[in-house]
Amino acid sequence: QVQLVQSRSEAKEAGASVRVSCQTSGMTFLNHDITWVRQAPGQGLEWMGWIGTISGKTEYAQKVQGRVTMTTDTSTNTAYMDLRSLTFDDTAVYICARSFSSGRLDVLDIWGQGTMVTVSS
Amino acid sequence: QSALTQPASVSGAPGQSITIFCTGTSSDVGGSDYVSWYQQHPGRAPKLMIFGVYNRPSGLSNRFSGSKSGNTASLTISGLQADDEADYYCSSYTSAKSLAFGGGTKVTVL
Repeated sequence: QVQLVQSRSEAKEAGASVRVSCQTSGMTFLNHDITWVRQAPGQGLEWMGWIGTISGKTEYAQKVQGRVTMTTDTSTNTAYMDLRSLTFDDTAVYICARSFSSGRLDVLDIWGQGTMVTVSS
Repeated sequence: QSALTQPASVSGAPGQSITIFCTGTSSDVGGSDYVSWYQQHPGRAPKLMIFGVYNRPSGLSNRFSGSKSGNTASLTISGLQADDEADYYCSSYTSAKSLAFGGGTKVTVL
């Protein structure tokens, strides 16, 4: 059974950084790219970026460019998303998702359970 | 403001069919067949319903179907059931190598 299990909720102060992890199991990690999406309370889905698990290549949304870093650890089949200089507007559920196959970045077939990040001023 | 435009809500009676539209531009929806649809129940992770405009993941009910015309994609749910009540999001790969989402449509089963 394919699973993406994310780290627990985080509460941060404005200006701090947060790391969210996404541990995968039941799949061949290098066959799928990882996308990060966030969802502010009561709002829609917002694409943050993705990382190629083989190439390590990343693409980030303009909105978080310069503050976000996505990485992977192929020894533990885990993806990470680091977000720096947090503001109140970064309060959201952060969700990782795998692409259907490497290169098919438009098809997110398995999703993590989400990690709530709350930023206080 | 979302990159793709969806109606905020759509409703229908059990057994009826509804269609959700997703309007983009030639740089996203109109520029490729990389359009997907996701269903999200409250408090749950999104679930892939349609990919590549028309395709259903293995095991998904054929009550869900997708299509596209120009810059507008659509998701049709036929034989509406109570469990179909959820939020639905369209997404499209873009010419900027990003993924755009619609603002989401709340489907209500009357």
